[in-house]
Amino acid sequence: NAGVMQNPRHLVRRRGQEARLRCSPMKGHSHVYWYRQLPEEGLKFMVYLQKENIIDESGMPKERFSAEFPKEGPSILRIQQVVRGDSAAYFCASSPMTGANTEAFFGQGTRLTVV
Amino acid sequence: KNEVEQSPQNLTAQEGEFITINCSYSVGISALHWLQQHPGGGIVSLFMLSSGKKKHGRLIATINIQEKHSSLHITASHPRDSAVYICAVRSRYGNKLVFGAGTILRVKS
Repeated sequence: NAGVMQNPRHLVRRRGQEARLRCSPMKGHSHVYWYRQLPEEGLKFMVYLQKENIIDESGMPKERFSAEFPKEGPSILRIQQVVRGDSAAYFCASSPMTGANTEAFFGQGTRLTVV
Repeated sequence: KNEVEQSPQNLTAQEGEFITINCSYSVGISALHWLQQHPGGGIVSLFMLSSGKKKHGRLIATINIQEKHSSLHITASHPRDSAVYICAVRSRYGNKLVFGAGTILRVKS
């Protein structure tokens, strides 16, 4: 049973390009969370999705950022027209359900560098 | 003030020492997580607590719900324990995790 898989592990984009980050949750997990870790800062929540639904996007910037978790395939975090301030590590976590005693399993992260 | 505060920010210990990392939070929670992150690496979940105490190998985590405080202890520390340790809480009213800033631990041989 593979863990949470994120790809790519490292991504370099020029300013103005688009970045697509992928997260395949653990088998049987239908809940996905995206978190961002800016350099020298702690992790911050971005968005929580269930299959085909965005449940909570309160941590996601209103512009340029979008997320989806289609019925088939991985969850995608998309950043349009990237800027240097988007450089960060983006982590995905998945869980089988929601609730108080739900473990969250994290991926290895995608390190985005905007040049 | 952050909802989750960790102390110390940085900790250097000699191999074999007993280590304690503290976490205080200000919101009602349903669970508290201790996570480990190696430089450039992924995040590993060490413990999930909603009450009492848990032990796994040389690691022990405790939580006091009334005082809104948790501690992570490492006994007989080893250089391979060097990492960032992160406390995170799951709010009673939501699903997302709120993180502390992390404690950078370095264990010297």
